[in-house]
Amino acid sequence: KQEVTQIPAALSVPEGENLVLNCSFTDSAIYNLQWFRQDPGKGLTSLLLIQSSQREQTSGRLNASLDKSSGRSTLYIAASQPGDSATYLCAAPFSGNTPLVFGKGTRLSVIA
Amino acid sequence: GAVVSQHPSRVICKSGTSVKIECRSLDFQATTMFWYRQFPKQSLMLMATSNEGSKATYEQGVEKDKFLINHASLTLSTLTVTSAHPEDSSFYICSATGTGEATNEKLFFGSGTQLSVL
Repeated sequence: KQEVTQIPAALSVPEGENLVLNCSFTDSAIYNLQWFRQDPGKGLTSLLLIQSSQREQTSGRLNASLDKSSGRSTLYIAASQPGDSATYLCAAPFSGNTPLVFGKGTRLSVIA
Repeated sequence: GAVVSQHPSRVICKSGTSVKIECRSLDFQATTMFWYRQFPKQSLMLMATSNEGSKATYEQGVEKDKFLINHASLTLSTLTVTSAHPEDSSFYICSATGTGEATNEKLFFGSGTQLSVL
C-alpha cells in the first residue's frame, strides 16, 4: 500500500526562522511529488510540483527537493513570516494516471 | 493560472436531506475530476475519480449510491450527498486536471465545501 508520511505533525517557529518540512513515501516509483498549502477551512493551493526526473524546484522563499532513492522530499521555507502559517501537505501519484496519495500534513505556526 | 470553482462553500442541512456540491473548471477542460473528503485533523481521503462522460470510480468503502457523482461536461462535476446524516459532516474538496500544457499533471483544487448535517 502506498503511503505518504509527514513529520512533524505540527511546528511552531518564530518569525524570520528558516525551516524544513519533511515528507516520505513508501514507493520510490512516484510519478511526481507536489506540495500544497491549506489554510483553515479552505481548499488547497499548489505550491511546487517536482517531476520524478527532477531534484528540486524553487518558488520565491520556497524550495522543494526530491530524493526518490531514499523516498523523501523536503520543503524548505526561508525567512518565515506569520502569513506562512498554514497546513502544508505533500502528495504523490504513484503512476501517471492515479490520484494523489496525501500525507496528513504539517501544521505550521509562525509567531511574530 | 487554472481555476477551479466549488460551490457552496458552506452548507448546513437537516438529517435526511440531499446536498449537491458543484465543481467547475473555469478556464480549462477538466478531463478528470477527483472528489476528496477531509475530517478534522485528518488528511484528504480520495472518495472517487470521474472522467468526463463516464461513470465515476469509487474508492473502497465509499457508497456510490450515497455519494452520487456526475461529470457530464469537461467543465462541471457534481457530488450529491443523498440522505445526509451527521456522520457525513465533513470538508469536501474537488480537484481537476486537464491535458493542456498549463494543466497537464497538475491538480487544481476547489476551495472546498464544509458540510454540517444536523
